[in-house]
Amino acid sequence: GAVVSQHPSRVICKSGTSVKIECRSLDFQATTMFWYRQFPKQSLMLMATSNEGSKATYEQGVEKDKFLINHASLTLSTLTVTSAHPEDSSFYICSASKGATNEKLFFGSGTQLSVL
Amino acid sequence: GEDVEQSLFLSVREGDSSVINCTYTDSSSTYLYWYKQEPGAGLQLLTYIFSNMDMKQDQRLTVLLNKKDKHLSLRIADTQTGDSAIYFCAESMDSSYKLIFGSGTRLLVRP
Repeated sequence: GAVVSQHPSRVICKSGTSVKIECRSLDFQATTMFWYRQFPKQSLMLMATSNEGSKATYEQGVEKDKFLINHASLTLSTLTVTSAHPEDSSFYICSASKGATNEKLFFGSGTQLSVL
Repeated sequence: GEDVEQSLFLSVREGDSSVINCTYTDSSSTYLYWYKQEPGAGLQLLTYIFSNMDMKQDQRLTVLLNKKDKHLSLRIADTQTGDSAIYFCAESMDSSYKLIFGSGTRLLVRP
């Protein structure tokens, strides 16, 4: 199988602080990882594509300075929400690619971020 | 633009069939997927269908695709309490292209 671990599962922070979310592929190497965000009752939206050793590719409308992505190794990508505000409160989920097609995409369990 | 829509909630009795529906707008979608998310777990790929197919069956799961109406459904036969989860449909233009997800349908199976 393929396991993707995402941590933390839930975080509450004060407005203005930064929050880091980790996504790890536990039993495979992933050159590509993806970050998604889901607001209540809305679709899971792709935020960015994280490539090991290079800069992340952000989807239109996603602020790269707000959502810092680091993919420093083949098993770890991190998403840092900088200077978080209440409107950043959302469910964030990552996925890691084990192969070239979507059938080889494996998801973390998600992080519920609440900014007070 | 690209849009995938699902109803938010479905409740069925154990043993009945469940049908979860999904509509999409992008006519260039070539792959359509169904994912399941159980509490505390990641999304798990259940099945997918290529756009030149009308139906795909895999044990208790039946996927129906109406390409003309851009409508996708997932039927779960003999629904069990363990099927309670959130089900996401998704589409992509290519098997390696980015996924466009719906909002997920929460399936509750009553004993």
